[in-house]
Amino acid sequence: SQKIEQNSEALNIQEGKTATLTCNYTNYSPAYLQWYRQDPGRGPVFLLLIRENEKEKRKERLKVTFDTTLKQSLFHITASQPADSATYLCAPYNQGGKLIFGQGTELSVKP
Amino acid sequence: NAGVTQTPKFQVLKTGQSMTLQCAQDMNHNSMYWYRQDPGMGLRLIYYSASEGTTDKGEVPNGYNVSRLNKREFSLRLESAAPSQTSVYFCASSRGTPYGYTFGSGTRLTVV
Repeated sequence: SQKIEQNSEALNIQEGKTATLTCNYTNYSPAYLQWYRQDPGRGPVFLLLIRENEKEKRKERLKVTFDTTLKQSLFHITASQPADSATYLCAPYNQGGKLIFGQGTELSVKP
Repeated sequence: NAGVTQTPKFQVLKTGQSMTLQCAQDMNHNSMYWYRQDPGMGLRLIYYSASEGTTDKGEVPNGYNVSRLNKREFSLRLESAAPSQTSVYFCASSRGTPYGYTFGSGTRLTVV
């Protein structure tokens, strides 16, 4: 079955550093992959979409890579700030055209 | 802009009771979705509607029914609630593949 794996342990980093979150998927080859941010008690918020023919996508301090050979996406936040603290969800599209969500990685940025 | 509106925000049900979760979007999106989110399980798709008039099962449809009332509204019904349905329920909408989803703020449901 299609499976998504994200770092289960929380990531704690210092303000100003770059945060790197990993998403691995198995048993399928998504044409698109999305990343979302979720704050406690709220619904996920869409951040970025990357297509299988795009190696990298940037939006302000965010960067996403998509390696279809490794079946992995990396999500980077540069110059991280305490306001970036949240849970980040990876969501590749499955063959049926629906998003499958990973469990998310909790990021904590300390001042 | 309201985006996706879910009601109610909180609900406690007794086992066997029924209820309907309401969802409405004002973005003229074609597709709408219902997910549940449980600790350690991530978001799991219950039902979706690719367009007005169509609905399909997702990953975990048992115990639920849906209605796509019109393009704006997509409701989720629990006919006979069970403790295993205790969860946070999210409704979402999108323009379709591969566009991002817009989520509501969720309904926290407890079945006792």
